[in-house]
Amino acid sequence: DVVLTQTLVAQPVRLGDQASISCRSSQSLVHSDGHTYLEWYLQKPGQSPQLLIYEVSNRFSGVPDRFSGSGSGSDFTLKISRVEPEDLGVYYCFEGTHDPTFGGGTKLELK
Amino acid sequence: EVQLVESGGGLVQPGRSLKLSCAASGFTFSNYGMAWVRQTPTKGLEWVASISTGGGNTYYRDSVKGRFTISRDNAKNTQYLQMDSLRSEDTATYYCARSEIAATSGLIWFAYWGQGTLVTVSS
Repeated sequence: DVVLTQTLVAQPVRLGDQASISCRSSQSLVHSDGHTYLEWYLQKPGQSPQLLIYEVSNRFSGVPDRFSGSGSGSDFTLKISRVEPEDLGVYYCFEGTHDPTFGGGTKLELK
Repeated sequence: EVQLVESGGGLVQPGRSLKLSCAASGFTFSNYGMAWVRQTPTKGLEWVASISTGGGNTYYRDSVKGRFTISRDNAKNTQYLQMDSLRSEDTATYYCARSEIAATSGLIWFAYWGQGTLVTVSS
């Protein structure tokens, strides 16, 4: 089974700082169809998760361009260029290439 | 605006059944695959099941195969999750989610989510 590893808590940030969240997979996430099904979700306190990024680096409709995704194979990163108050919450990576699996989540907190 | 509204959660005894519903609006329901995802404080987020646009193809996580059944009624814009032989480890908030095909031609697994419905399995 694929395991997605995320650090439990990100380095605390100040508003306006850049934040970086990592997700490491135990297997390559390149699908036989050529796509890499790695997605990022944000769950704000008391809310449902919301999609930010699909296929590693594609921002979903309405997602601000301060969010960017990168990586390949089994190592992926979500960056938030200038953290705003509404960005706080838990970030989850998800792989849909093998057995659909979520990472354990990374909490983004203020310094 | 895409809206997904779950219902049917509640307290149920181990071994009993429960049926969740998800009413969809704001889009052409029959054009999209749908899914259920659950969340617990201990196990986090787990994909549970998915269903194709016409309902002919269904997929389940191993731990619910043979006990849960995903289905949909495109005339009613509603998907369902029939949960039988419930266990304490099925206790979770269950979310309805919509899938879609991206401009890249790849699959987006959970583009939109409902607010969730809580299922508690306990005697």
